[in-house]
Amino acid sequence: EPEVTQTPSHQVTQMGQEVILRCVPISNHLYFYWYRQILGQKVEFLVSFYNNEISEKSEIFDDQFSVERPDGSNFTLKIRSTKLEDSAMYFCASTLGLATTGETQYFGPGTRLLVL
Amino acid sequence: KNEVEQSPQNLTAQEGEFITINCSYSVGISALHWLQQHPGGGIVSLFMLSSGKKKHGRLIATINIQEKHSSLHITASHPRDSAVYICAVPLGTDKLIFGTGTRLQVFP
Repeated sequence: EPEVTQTPSHQVTQMGQEVILRCVPISNHLYFYWYRQILGQKVEFLVSFYNNEISEKSEIFDDQFSVERPDGSNFTLKIRSTKLEDSAMYFCASTLGLATTGETQYFGPGTRLLVL
Repeated sequence: KNEVEQSPQNLTAQEGEFITINCSYSVGISALHWLQQHPGGGIVSLFMLSSGKKKHGRLIATINIQEKHSSLHITASHPRDSAVYICAVPLGTDKLIFGTGTRLQVFP
């Protein structure tokens, strides 16, 4: 069965460093998402991406964050200058259709980011 | 404010028991998602429903759009059902809002 993959599974970085989290969505999917989950808290929406542009983003997704689909298969989340509070599990997801149409979202296994 | 509320937050059960997890939401929606988060952190989509009831194996999900309420039931619960169960609703065009989750532990 096709699946969403994410690399790395774990990343430790120093505050102020840039990190890039990578995702390979399911190949025929059209909508791509990043979510984060701070330890012990609920999953939060960060950004959705369709047709090579951001379709929606949350208040969390400030200028320090950017997303890209550079080559038609990878979908990346970049955090330009990490802060301690960016420590979280980051999930990528992909789907054939919009969240409002009720299409199933397929989640990757997550990248656990720790900022020291 | 929480657009999505789940209850209970924690639930323990003996193997074989019938489990009910509730989700209430405050926004108008076209569909609701039930997800399962494994102890290792991975998230799996269980159901998407927009009306009535859906069944998959021992899992049953129901939704009442007028009352803005959904329930997830597990029949004949098993220790392998131990996980966090999360409901999520779409807000705006393309954004999922998640509940805080219900942590279920099923003991043999």
